[in-house]
Amino acid sequence: ETGVTQSPTHLIKTRGQQVTLRCSSQSGHNTVSWYQQALGQGPQFIFQYYREEENGRGNFPPRFSGLQFPNYSSELNVNALELDDSALYLCASSLGTEAFFGQGTRLTVV
Amino acid sequence: LAKTTQPISMDSYEGQEVNITCSHNNIATNDYITWYQQFPSQGPRFIIQGYKTKVTNEVASLFIPADRKSSTLSLPRVSLSDTAVYYCLVGEQGADKLIFGTGTRLQVFP
Repeated sequence: ETGVTQSPTHLIKTRGQQVTLRCSSQSGHNTVSWYQQALGQGPQFIFQYYREEENGRGNFPPRFSGLQFPNYSSELNVNALELDDSALYLCASSLGTEAFFGQGTRLTVV
Repeated sequence: LAKTTQPISMDSYEGQEVNITCSHNNIATNDYITWYQQFPSQGPRFIIQGYKTKVTNEVASLFIPADRKSSTLSLPRVSLSDTAVYYCLVGEQGADKLIFGTGTRLQVFP
C-alpha cells in the first residue's frame, strides 16, 4: 500500500463526454502528478501540482486540466473525450526522491 | 532529456539472479538513475536510485560504471512474484515529472 488512493477504479464514458478522476495523496505529500498509461506503454506525464499550483505540464492538450486542493488531494478533468483517451490514469504523490503511485483509474471511452 | 534504452523482455527462472541493463548515453551531470517496477493494473513502485558506483537496498542492487552511460539493475534470486515490467529512468534527483520508456518485461518461470 502506497497511501495514494484513486477513484473510481474503473470508468466507461462515451466519446465527447467529460470525466473527473480523483486522487488522495499520501499524508504530508504536497506534490501530485498525473500520468496516462496506454496499453503496453510506459506512463506519460500529464501535469504536476505543487501547493495547489500547476508546476509543469507534459505534451497534453488543454482539455486535460487539473486541480489540487488545500489538503493536497487532486482531480484530473478531461473534456470532450476521445477514443484515444482510453488508458490507465495514474496519480503519484511525492515529497522528495520517491514517487508513490496509486493503483490507477482504468478509463474506457466508447 | 536523456533517453534510455533497455531490452523489451527477459525470461528467467526462480532462484536465478537477473540483471537488466539500461543504456543512457546522453545522461547529464545532474541526472540520477532510477528504477521502478510495475505489476499489471497497478501503479509503478520505486525500487532503487543511484548516481554512481553501486547502490544496494533490501530489494535490488544498482551498478553504475564510471562513465555513467549505462546502468544495471540486479535482482538476486528472483521469485515468481518478481514478474513485472521494470522501468529505467534518468533525470534530476526527485520524483518530479518522471519520463518513462516502454520498460523491460521480466517473466519468471518456476
